[in-house]
Amino acid sequence: AQKITQTQPGMFVQEKEAVTLDCTYDTSDPSYGLFWYKQPSSGEMIFLIYQGSYDQQNATEGRYSLNFQKARKSANLVISASQLGDSAMYFCAMREGWELTGGGNKLTFGTGTQLKVEL
Amino acid sequence: EPEVTQTPSHQVTQMGQEVILRCVPISNHLYFYWYRQILGQKVEFLVSFYNNEISEKSEIFDDQFSVERPDGSNFTLKIRSTKLEDSAMYFCASSESKTLAVAKNIQYFGAGTRLSVL
Repeated sequence: AQKITQTQPGMFVQEKEAVTLDCTYDTSDPSYGLFWYKQPSSGEMIFLIYQGSYDQQNATEGRYSLNFQKARKSANLVISASQLGDSAMYFCAMREGWELTGGGNKLTFGTGTQLKVEL
Repeated sequence: EPEVTQTPSHQVTQMGQEVILRCVPISNHLYFYWYRQILGQKVEFLVSFYNNEISEKSEIFDDQFSVERPDGSNFTLKIRSTKLEDSAMYFCASSESKTLAVAKNIQYFGAGTRLSVL
């Protein structure tokens, strides 16, 4: 089974509209972290937002928010007020467990969603 | 703002040649990673490195691959004898180590090195 599933290979949104990018995950570990990264056409990977499995509230970072539904194992990214510069590939990723020092665990990525923002 | 730096941005090599991809992680970070992304595919974990040793590696990271932190700033990935299927974008990432039991431990990525094996 896929650890991270992103079912939308491509999405279109009008400028200034909100858009939701879907991500579901599969893990039996009670401790995990979920991440979203943006990859513009230039290729770099840019960290956007993080949600921990024990976090009580949904994460927010500026125009980005994470709709975390733990029972459904989903962690959808919501981008509000879309801008042309938001056009990029978006990856959901998961880290399962963490050591007491808080580091050292690999990220497992989904296949990504290509978002295009239109005028 | 501190960032992960990777050089070169593009490396072209002949099959069977050795290549070294270089990375300068963020200065106060202690965990280092290599990932790769074959064109049009998802990002795959290769290896993580902490305290001068490999802490985890994937099945992709076979004997042809090695990592090294030769000094206090650089982190390198060596591919001993490149194959056509090694052509990919290689990302270096780094993260802080925290003493808290629960930590975000966000991995920050470099811009990548595109490796083309001919």
